[in-house]
Parts: sequence; C-alpha cells; structure tokens
Amino acid sequence: GQQLNQSPQSMFIQEGEDVSMNCTSSSIFNTWLWYKQDPGEGPVLLIALYKAGELTSNGRLTAQFGITRKDSFLNISASIPSDVGIYFCAGPRSSGSARQLTFGSGTQLTVLP
Amino acid sequence: KAGVTQTPRYLIKTRGQQVTLSCSPISGHRSVSWYQQTPGQGLQFLFEYFSETQRNKGNFPGRFSGRQFSNSRSEMNVSTLELGDSALYLCASTGSNEAPLHFGNGTRLTVT
Repeated sequence: GQQLNQSPQSMFIQEGEDVSMNCTSSSIFNTWLWYKQDPGEGPVLLIALYKAGELTSNGRLTAQFGITRKDSFLNISASIPSDVGIYFCAGPRSSGSARQLTFGSGTQLTVLP
Repeated sequence: KAGVTQTPRYLIKTRGQQVTLSCSPISGHRSVSWYQQTPGQGLQFLFEYFSETQRNKGNFPGRFSGRQFSNSRSEMNVSTLELGDSALYLCASTGSNEAPLHFGNGTRLTVT
C-alpha cells in the first residue's frame, strides 16, 4: 500500500533556528496535509496543499507540494518553544476516500532555549 | 464553534471485555472518521461514516466496529479486547468531501 517516509524522525534545535522536514512517497498523492500533535491532544491541521508545485504559508510555517506529487516539505522559521511537538505529513490514498489518510511516522521537534 | 468532542478521555479495560467510544463531530459536519494511534504503528485509519453509512474501512479485524447516528454523532466499539488494542483512538470530522479532517483529542484506551 501507499507509505509515507517522513524525515527526520526527531530534531533538537535552538530557539530562533529554522527547521525543515519532509515526506516522500513511492506513490502519487493528490493532496498533502501537515498536522501538529501536542502531548495528550489530537493532531491539528497546519497546512493543506492541493496542487503540485503549490507553496503555502501559515505564519512562520511554509509547506510545498512537490512537483512530482510524491513529496512535500514543511519549513518552520524562527522557532519558538511552543513549536515543540510531533509533526505529521498525511495524504489520502489516490484510489480511496479523501478522509482515508495515510500518515507519516512523524517528526518529533524539540526546541532548546 | 466547538471542535470534535470525544468521550471518555481515558479508559482502562481488561482483556476480553468490550468498549464503546463516543465522538461528536463539529456542528454541521456529516463525515466522521476514526483512527488508531500507537507508538509502533503510528496513525492508522479504522473507518469512515457519512449519513449513518460506513463508507470506508481500514485493515482492522471485525472486532472493531462503528456506527453513526442521525445527528452525525458516532460511536466505535471494540469487542474481546486484546492487549494490543491499547492505543489513542482519534475521531475526526469534515464538512465536505475534499476538506481536511479536524481531529478530536482522542480517547486513551489501556487494556490490562
């Protein structure tokens, strides 16, 4: 089935630094979603991408839908302590429902003061 | 607008028992999906309901079932619980076919 390879698995960065994480797949995705999950909570949608090549920003976050439709990246600029959490990429199976998402394994982000 | 509400937040059950989890979607959302999150397998799709009908089902055994009511509220049931069913069960809703999912904070199920 469709798998999403997300990297890195974890990151330790200094406050104020920029962060980049990415997801790749062997299959084409028509939508890429980026979620953030804080401890004890459900994933919260950060950015949704619907078109190959699309670059979308949400505050200090920027995400891009790869031109091959097989990858996506998420950048966080000028990190702050509240950026700590697990970041997931996700996308719906190409042959299935838009609600049946495949998730990456997550990137655990730690921001050091 | 209230978000997706899941109850209870925590549950402890014994092997062999059954459990029912509840989800109230965002007002106006008619599609409800369920996901299981474990450290080993990550987030995995269980099933999706729309207008009281199951539209899609993930690769889980028949012990996992669900239903949706006319007010769009949904329940999922796990029968004959196994230790491996310990997980965070997440419910998500969406208001249209192409809109992204909005997740609740989950029910943490521990099976002993």
